Amino acid sequence: EVKLVESGGGLVQPGRSLRLSCAASGFTFDDYAMHWVRQRPGKGLEWVSGISWNSGDTGYADSVKGRFTISRDNAKNSLYLQMNSLRAEDTALYYCAKDFRSSIGGGMDVWGQGTTVTVSS
Amino acid sequence: QSALTQPPSASGSPGQSVTISCTGTGTDVGGYNYVSWFQQHPGRAPKLMIYEVSERPSGVPDRFSGSKSGNTASLTVSGLQAEDEADYYCSSYAETNHLVFGGGTKLTVL
Repeated sequence: EVKLVESGGGLVQPGRSLRLSCAASGFTFDDYAMHWVRQRPGKGLEWVSGISWNSGDTGYADSVKGRFTISRDNAKNSLYLQMNSLRAEDTALYYCAKDFRSSIGGGMDVWGQGTTVTVSS
Repeated sequence: QSALTQPPSASGSPGQSVTISCTGTGTDVGGYNYVSWFQQHPGRAPKLMIYEVSERPSGVPDRFSGSKSGNTASLTVSGLQAEDEADYYCSSYAETNHLVFGGGTKLTVL
């Protein structure tokens, strides 16, 4: 079974950091690009960041560029999102998603269930 | 990176067809054939319904179809069923390793 399981969410104060993880199983992880997508409460989907199969290419939404860093460990079948200088507007459900191509941008065919990040003092 | 433009709502009666539009620019929807459509029921993760403008993943009913003309992509749901009631989002590749989503359309089956 193809599966993505996110972890690492929680309550954090503004200005602090948090690291999200996504454990992949059921497919050849290093064949595909991966993404983080978030959904603020009651709002739509927002692409946050993507990374190619070999980490050679990365992309970030303007809203997180310079604060968030995406990475992957193909040996561990894992995707990560390091989130620094967190703001209230980063409060959201964060989804990990698999691209159906090895490079960023094909589209997301598998999604996890998400991990919730709440930024509040 | 501006969000793609979708109508906030759409509706149709069971058995009817409904089309949802997704308008971007020449640097996203119009420039690439990497438009996807996602269905999201309340409290659930999004589900891929269409990729590469008009391709359907296995398991997605052929009542769902996609197309594109210029900077506007469209999702058509034919033979509407009650379970089609959900939020629908489009997405597109948008140059230099970026993706962009639409604002979402709430589809109501009357």
